[in-house]
Amino acid sequence: NAGVMQNPRHLVRRRGQEARLRCSPMKGHSHVYWYRQLPEEGLKFMVYLQKENIIDESGMPKERFSAEFPKEGPSILRIQQVVRGDSAAYFCASSPRSGGARLTGELFFGEGSRLTVL
Amino acid sequence: SQQGEEDPQALSIQEGENATMNCSYKTSINNLQWYRQNSGRGLVHLILIRSNEREKHSGRLRVTLDTSKKSSSLLITASRAADTASYFCATGAGGGGNKLTFGTGTQLKVEL
Repeated sequence: NAGVMQNPRHLVRRRGQEARLRCSPMKGHSHVYWYRQLPEEGLKFMVYLQKENIIDESGMPKERFSAEFPKEGPSILRIQQVVRGDSAAYFCASSPRSGGARLTGELFFGEGSRLTVL
Repeated sequence: SQQGEEDPQALSIQEGENATMNCSYKTSINNLQWYRQNSGRGLVHLILIRSNEREKHSGRLRVTLDTSKKSSSLLITASRAADTASYFCATGAGGGGNKLTFGTGTQLKVEL
């Protein structure tokens, strides 16, 4: 009964490189959420996706950041041309189909991917 | 200030004592949730209280919600060293999906 799986757990990139973070939701979950957490801070919402659709990207920076959740395979958060300010922990969470989400409201989180930009 | 602010920012108590954390929020909500985060780990859901509920219990946890004051409290009774973690409140607006807005968190340290 695997939970939300994120990889890599730790990623080091130099300024200007690309970072790709992957998230496989819990089995049966079709909603994926990405959050960013800076040191000693709470989680900031980035984007909410369902299969093949971006539902809410109001928290995504306008440039360099993109997310997808294809029909097959994990959700991917992509950061192009990383800068030092992108260093953070990126958490993925999932929830069941919309009907189930309205009943429980709970999000299931992965262990996070910690990005360090040198 | 942000939607969902916890108070205090840090709390240190002795094992066996009760720990109370407060959360304030700004906008209308469908539900309010509390999550726990151990250092370097992901968040774990603790308890959810809906906007039409005033109090909820789960084991050693007690959550209250006052929608007129836009505030909630989390009480952990008979704390243990293993309760040491950061605790976050999160508000959900309802509708489709589960987008949550998280507070800044309370760091709880329970000492032996």
